[in-house]
Amino acid sequence: DTGVSQNPRHKITKRGQNVTFRCDPISEHNRLYWYRQTLGQGPEFLTYFQNEAQLEKSRLLSDRFSAERPKGSFSTLEIQRTEQGDSAMYLCASSLSWGPTYEQYFGPGTRLTVT
Amino acid sequence: AQKITQTQPGMFVQEKEAVTLDCTYDTSDQSYGLFWYKQPSSGEMIFLIYQGSYDEQNATEGRYSLNFQKARKSANLVISASQLGDSAMYFCAMNGGSQGNLIFGKGTKLSVKP
Repeated sequence: DTGVSQNPRHKITKRGQNVTFRCDPISEHNRLYWYRQTLGQGPEFLTYFQNEAQLEKSRLLSDRFSAERPKGSFSTLEIQRTEQGDSAMYLCASSLSWGPTYEQYFGPGTRLTVT
Repeated sequence: AQKITQTQPGMFVQEKEAVTLDCTYDTSDQSYGLFWYKQPSSGEMIFLIYQGSYDEQNATEGRYSLNFQKARKSANLVISASQLGDSAMYFCAMNGGSQGNLIFGKGTKLSVKP
């Protein structure tokens, strides 16, 4: 049973460039979540999918951010025209949408540094 | 709006002793879930324990137990027999109703002293 994987683990980019992150959830999980975590804070919700449908987006998800989960399996998060304020850890999690607890299992994260 | 408050930025505990990490929450939902996660310095978030709002008994998972006081809206994590490997950030989180996303607190940094 493999866990949630994320690639790349680290990304350094220059301001104004576009970046894309990938998340592969636990295979039987139909929900996939994206969070952002800045230093000294807890993760903040960005968006989540159930199967291929994007069900909720946070107001933190500006127009420069887009997420997809085209076949209900892996997901990508793209940030266009990156800004220094986008520097953070981007966490992906997955879960089932049924069951008693709905606990989310997290990947190792992608650390983005915008210079 | 839902909110999680963790008032202890940092805690120290002696190895083999028990420690309680505080968490209070605010929600208008009747049905919700409360979670604790551990985040070591390596960065991954590790699920520890879950408590449902309708669960009458406090949740336990090995050395972890959740002291759930619904009227006080508190969900404190108790770690018994602390180990050096317990040194990490601990986050309390909740979801509510049909919402899938988790709302996290700011975390508590636990340091276990030998």
